[in-house]
Amino acid sequence: AQTVTQSQPEMSVQEAETVTLSCTYDTSENNYYLFWYKQPPSRQMILVIRQEAYKQQNATENRFSVNFQKAAKSFSLKISDSQLGDTAMYFCAFMNYGNQFYFGTGTSLTVIP
Amino acid sequence: GAGVSQSPRYKVAKRGQDVALRCDPISGHVSLFWYQQALGQGPEFLTYFQNEAQLDKSGLPSDRFFAERPEGSVSTLKIQRTQQEDSAVYLCASSLEGQGGDQPQHFGDGTRLSIL
Repeated sequence: AQTVTQSQPEMSVQEAETVTLSCTYDTSENNYYLFWYKQPPSRQMILVIRQEAYKQQNATENRFSVNFQKAAKSFSLKISDSQLGDTAMYFCAFMNYGNQFYFGTGTSLTVIP
Repeated sequence: GAGVSQSPRYKVAKRGQDVALRCDPISGHVSLFWYQQALGQGPEFLTYFQNEAQLDKSGLPSDRFFAERPEGSVSTLKIQRTQQEDSAVYLCASSLEGQGGDQPQHFGDGTRLSIL
């Protein structure tokens, strides 16, 4: 079974600063996908960024980037130039090719003005 | 519609009652997923459909949980003889046909179920 671990239940960052959220996972599979989702208080899960395991290049989406270390099974999210709208729960997730999806327990991020 | 629609948004039921939660996926999306999210936790996979076929129901916690998607579009998650531990937010997501994470999942706002 796959497990996803987020060891930081809560984090905070000053507006305009950079913050990194940690995620590790455990799997015996070689091909899979990794995701970061954002869940604001409104509850809707929003995809932030996605990484294919077979790609060595780290994914980036504007202010969001990942540090994917396949051998270490680590998948951290870096948010640059943090904005107040980034305040939310962030979930790391793993998906195998069988469409089975596993989420971590989440990190609550607060951006401080 | 423009996004995944779930109804009702909130549901309160007495222990022992049956409930039905509805999910309208994005038009044309082949894959549909149901998740259970307990308070303060990440979503947990319940079941997955590709069109009308339920390809994986390994996450359903008991035989009281039943999901269907008879025409390959709208899906219903039914919980029979509800228990207090069923209280959670139930999320539905849909995606275009694809392998694994090839197509991103789009989530609805969820149904918050409270069992008294």
